[in-house]
Amino acid sequence: QQQVKQSPQSLIVQKGGISIINCAYENTAFDYFPWYQQFPGKGPALLIAIRPDVSEKKEGRFTISFNKSAKQFSLHIMDSQPGDSATYFCAVEGHSNYQLIWGAGTKLIIKP
Amino acid sequence: SQTIHQWPATLVQPVGSPLSLECTVEGTSNPNLYWYRQAAGRGLQLLFYSVGIGQISSEVPQNLSASRPQDRQFILSSKKLLLSDSGFYLCALSGQGGSYEQYFGPGTRLTVT
Repeated sequence: QQQVKQSPQSLIVQKGGISIINCAYENTAFDYFPWYQQFPGKGPALLIAIRPDVSEKKEGRFTISFNKSAKQFSLHIMDSQPGDSATYFCAVEGHSNYQLIWGAGTKLIIKP
Repeated sequence: SQTIHQWPATLVQPVGSPLSLECTVEGTSNPNLYWYRQAAGRGLQLLFYSVGIGQISSEVPQNLSASRPQDRQFILSSKKLLLSDSGFYLCALSGQGGSYEQYFGPGTRLTVT
């Protein structure tokens, strides 16, 4: 079964620092790589996504870096703020019917 | 814009009781619909997905079932709940036109006692 390996499981970063979360996948045929943000008691929300024709995508303080040859992609949060404290999930497209294969999640805590 | 409604928001049920969770969507037609379960502090487990009325695919064998009686309605059911059914149940949709983007509802917190 295809898997997505996400690391670290948890992460504590000082306010103003850079948060980095990594994901590795197996199938080179995947072509959609989103990151979702989930606050406690809420459903996940799409944060940013990338397709493999580019190596980097930036939206505000959030950047996805994509390494196709290594089959890895990462989320960088610049100038991390306490409001960024949440659980982050990476995902890749599934085999059919627009299913996503999900990473296990990273609980991010930004210390003020 | 697309909106997903889920109810109830919270539910406490005894072991062996039946379950019915409802998800309705607005602002889109013929979406793909998904039921996920999330255990406390854990990731997302896909339970069912549907590409159209009456079309249900199950990802994990268990005592839960799903139905899609209308285009914008997705129901999760159980005849007899187990303690292990406790969790946060999320309904999600993805649109047409080759979009993989999934949008999630607010969720239902189920506690089986």
